[in-house]
Amino acid sequence: NAGVTQTPKFRVLKTGQSMTLLCAQDMNHEYMYWYRQDPGMGLRLIHYSVGEGTTAKGEVPDGYNVSRLKKQNFLLGLESAAPSQTSVYFCASSYEGAAQETQYFGPGTRLLVL
Amino acid sequence: EDKVVQSPLSLVVHEGDTVTLNCSYEVTNFRSLLWYKQEKKAPTFLFMLTSSGIEKKSGRLSSILDKKELSSILNITATQTGDSAIYLCAVPPQGGSEKLVFGKGTKLTVNP
Repeated sequence: NAGVTQTPKFRVLKTGQSMTLLCAQDMNHEYMYWYRQDPGMGLRLIHYSVGEGTTAKGEVPDGYNVSRLKKQNFLLGLESAAPSQTSVYFCASSYEGAAQETQYFGPGTRLLVL
Repeated sequence: EDKVVQSPLSLVVHEGDTVTLNCSYEVTNFRSLLWYKQEKKAPTFLFMLTSSGIEKKSGRLSSILDKKELSSILNITATQTGDSAIYLCAVPPQGGSEKLVFGKGTKLTVNP
């Protein structure tokens, strides 16, 4: 049981480049989440999904897109990276909604946009 | 607007000390409050507090929910260097049981 995995672990992008972060979970969880964490800001929700084929906006969705084509995968896309998107990105999943039970977090992806 | 405020933002103690971390929230239709510990990488779950479970304990860590004061405390007794981490508090916002609003966290440093 790998839990929640994220790829890549670290990436450097130039402004304007695009990339996709992959999150995978093997716990058959319905709910998946993408957060970003910046110094002094805590964890902020970017987008989330309550099931395969569904996505919804979180607190800071601008500049990001997501897709949940398969239940076990949740992709986060940056179409045109900006230095403000330099951050650590965490994916999380849970079987029920966040109010009902804990979320399980991946190890994070550190992204640097130059 | 739903809000979670943690205090202090950072704390430095010596091994063996007892610490109390605070979390206050402003959210209507309270459902639950969660505490996470974040060391170098991913946050890991500590406790969930609800209206029917306002006190939780695990070893040297304990947490209490005060619904009247709209707050929670996380206590760590006999601290160890391994307790050094960021402690995060989170609540589901109004009308949204699927997601969480996190506080900015308290960074705890335990020195030997």
